Amino acid sequence: DTGVSQNPRHKITKRGQNVTFRCDPISEHNRLYWYRQTLGQGPEFLTYFQNEAQLEKSRLLSDRFSAERPKGSFSTLEIQRTEQGDSAMYLCASSPSRGGSYEQYFGPGTRLTVT
Amino acid sequence: LAKTTQPISMDSYEGQEVNITCSHNNIATNDYITWYQQFPSQGPRFIIQGYKTKVTNEVASLFIPADRKSSTLSLPRVSLSDTAVYYCLVGDSWGKLQFGAGTQVVVTP
Repeated sequence: DTGVSQNPRHKITKRGQNVTFRCDPISEHNRLYWYRQTLGQGPEFLTYFQNEAQLEKSRLLSDRFSAERPKGSFSTLEIQRTEQGDSAMYLCASSPSRGGSYEQYFGPGTRLTVT
Repeated sequence: LAKTTQPISMDSYEGQEVNITCSHNNIATNDYITWYQQFPSQGPRFIIQGYKTKVTNEVASLFIPADRKSSTLSLPRVSLSDTAVYYCLVGDSWGKLQFGAGTQVVVTP
């Protein structure tokens, strides 16, 4: 296990369709995060899991977005009824569950284009 | 989470030292200062983290004055491959990261 992986790397979809992204964190990491990044901006926090528990959701995460982490391993992020404004890079990160650490390991991201 | 301010861009030549200063006037007692690097079409990568004084690793050094209201990331002898966006983040230990727009560093021959 060499790092965080995300699939697919690229996704093109038509407005109104549903999409699902997958993130596989580093195996021993308990914490998993989702971020969204648009061109020229830094990543924006979306949601965070500690094992299988979703502990926080950003106000950016509308009702059309849902994230799961069954069994505390991989995670999925689903966007329903996609809109053009959802076009962005979706990043997943993981970190070990120890205090005092701000070190997160990011995956390569999934680039979503909504046409 | 404390707000950070850093330059939008910096240019440098290969072999020079690059210093990026970040202001965080409202840093809290429990906050750490962390820097990330991001290349195009990749996720950010952790560079260095510190609380006070100086921290050095194989990639960079981080200088934090006593009042902790600012910090400086120092990249020694940069190469073309150091061209990237560098983010300064300040926050407590539970791990939620709040990124700003970062500093675009461009290294030219």
